[in-house]
Amino acid sequence: GDSVTQMEGPVTLSEEAFLTINCTYTATGYPSLFWYVQYPGEGLQLLLKATKADDKGSNKGFEATYRKETTSFHLEKGSVQVSDSAVYFCALTNSGGSNYKLTFGKGTLLTVNP
Amino acid sequence: EPEVTQTPSHQVTQMGQEVILRCVPISNHLYFYWYRQILGQKVEFLVSFYNNEISEKSEIFDDQFSVERPDGSNFTLKIRSTKLEDSAMYFCASSVDVNTEAFFGQGTRLTVV
Repeated sequence: GDSVTQMEGPVTLSEEAFLTINCTYTATGYPSLFWYVQYPGEGLQLLLKATKADDKGSNKGFEATYRKETTSFHLEKGSVQVSDSAVYFCALTNSGGSNYKLTFGKGTLLTVNP
Repeated sequence: EPEVTQTPSHQVTQMGQEVILRCVPISNHLYFYWYRQILGQKVEFLVSFYNNEISEKSEIFDDQFSVERPDGSNFTLKIRSTKLEDSAMYFCASSVDVNTEAFFGQGTRLTVV
């Protein structure tokens, strides 16, 4: 079945540091890839997405590129802020079969210190 | 901006009791989902629902669970005879299509005592 593997963390950075959270996937067909963010005490919010190979999703300074050759969708940000502290989830959906669900990675806790 | 709304935000119930978690998806969305998250850990898929029937369900979604769309706006998750291990945050989500982003509600924290 489909699966998502992401760097588990926790990740602790200083403000303005560079962030990378690795995500790789296993899926049949042509999945769409997503990053969701969960701020403390809140629900899941879509951060960015990419629907086909070589697409780059971007939002709020975060970027991720859909790399089919390496089955990866790594999340990056050039300069993190304290307000970016949250749990980040990589996820996919797959219309290649009967999969109507989001498959999530285990989440990566990011803490940014001033 | 349209959003998915869930009620209640927190539900405490005694073991063995039945609970109903309620969700109002975004009005033009056709696919509905329930997920759960235990103690801030992995988000787990429970069930997806389309065209008034279950599209897919996980192994977690056994006979204890059921979903219903009783009217044109609500989408409910019923848990019969709750167990301690059912304590979790339950998220409802909806999407326009199967391969587009799902929008999540704020969640219902279920505590079984």
